[in-house]
Amino acid sequence: AQSVTQPDIHITVSEGASLELRCNYSYGATPYLFWYVQSPGQGLQLLLKYFSGDTLVQGIKGFEAEFKRSQSSFNLRKPSVHWSDAAEYFCAVERDAGNMLTFGGGTRLMVKP
Amino acid sequence: EPEVTQTPSHQVTQMGQEVILRCVPISNHLYFYWYRQILGQKVEFLVSFYNNEISEKSEIFDDQFSVERPDGSNFTLKIRSTKLEDSAMYFCASRVTIYEQYFGPGTRLTVT
Repeated sequence: AQSVTQPDIHITVSEGASLELRCNYSYGATPYLFWYVQSPGQGLQLLLKYFSGDTLVQGIKGFEAEFKRSQSSFNLRKPSVHWSDAAEYFCAVERDAGNMLTFGGGTRLMVKP
Repeated sequence: EPEVTQTPSHQVTQMGQEVILRCVPISNHLYFYWYRQILGQKVEFLVSFYNNEISEKSEIFDDQFSVERPDGSNFTLKIRSTKLEDSAMYFCASRVTIYEQYFGPGTRLTVT
């Protein structure tokens, strides 16, 4: 069965600083990969996804993620964090198209002024 | 932009009672899902539903749980006899085909 690990439970960055959130997955083949964001009291919003092709994918709100097959990683990055980015971020994988998502434990991002 | 909606936003119930959580998926979507998130834990898959039947379910989705699409718009999750450990945020999601799932805002279920 596939699994997803987000090693950082909490991360605090200063506004304007760069951000990288780590995600590692365990699966025999290349899964479909996603990053979702959850603001307090809100549902899960899709930031970006990787299905195939270019390993650097762009998402909404200035986020990007890079798929590295050799490291089984799909890290999320943003060059300059805004206070409104404070939220919980979830990495998720999908075994095959149309299947259920397996989520990581989430990383809670705090942004210092 | 179309979105998945869920009602109620918060449900409080007593242990042993039945609850029905309601979802209205995006209108042209064909695949429907329920997930739950116990406070402080990761989001977990419960069940997927396609073509009016369950296509996959997790170990969590035991005989106490059921899903239904009673009409062309609603998708419901029923818990027959709630337990304290059913307290969680329940998310509905839908997708049109093989692309991303769209999530609703969730229903917070509190079992007392």
